[in-house]
Amino acid sequence: EAGVAQSPRYKIIEKRQSVAFWCNPISGHATLYWYQQILGQGPKLLIQFQNNGVVDDSQLPKDRFSAERLKGVDSTLKIQPAKLEDSAVYLCASSFGINEQFFGPGTRLTVL
Amino acid sequence: AQSVTQLDSHVSVSEGTPVLLRCNYSSSYSPSLFWYVQHPNKGLQLLLKYTSAATLVKGINGFEAEFKKSETSFHLTKPSAHMSDAAEYFCVVSDMDNAGNMLTFGGGTRLMVKP
Repeated sequence: EAGVAQSPRYKIIEKRQSVAFWCNPISGHATLYWYQQILGQGPKLLIQFQNNGVVDDSQLPKDRFSAERLKGVDSTLKIQPAKLEDSAVYLCASSFGINEQFFGPGTRLTVL
Repeated sequence: AQSVTQLDSHVSVSEGTPVLLRCNYSSSYSPSLFWYVQHPNKGLQLLLKYTSAATLVKGINGFEAEFKKSETSFHLTKPSAHMSDAAEYFCVVSDMDNAGNMLTFGGGTRLMVKP
């Protein structure tokens, strides 16, 4: 079966610019997660969706980050405006219910 | 609240020697525990998981881990390291409740394998 797809794989922007990342989960996986992985650290959950509803976004910096999953399938994570400290790998994962999470390859964001 | 501490940020072994990556956890519930591996520029891959069944868990590529509740530990071991094992390893705890599968990652251990 196809895995979790993410695009772009790499993105370089200047601070105060906007950026968006896209994720397409494994077919049939109702639960979708976005993680932020700063260099040298473990991934940190930003937001979890169940179908098109938000389950947990307690660690999402809502003044600049937003995410949506309008049709309950693919999802977009946006940063507006970006800061230097947003440089990280953004990982998308999906799961069938509360089972194992499958991770995509990630998008590496560099903010200059 | 749940948390994970990986006791070594870097571990270096010679090829063919045993591997030990240490992990301690803290959880309010009966946790599920995982080890994930991340190779450079690749996604996270599940190595093994503990979900309250057998305390000794066998995973892929010859890795195994033992859940010790009294020590709140879930150390990862492999009898003989291979060059291809060089990667970043993450110990992960999950308190599965009705809200879903909330994973908390440790800081990671980078495993280096010398020829």
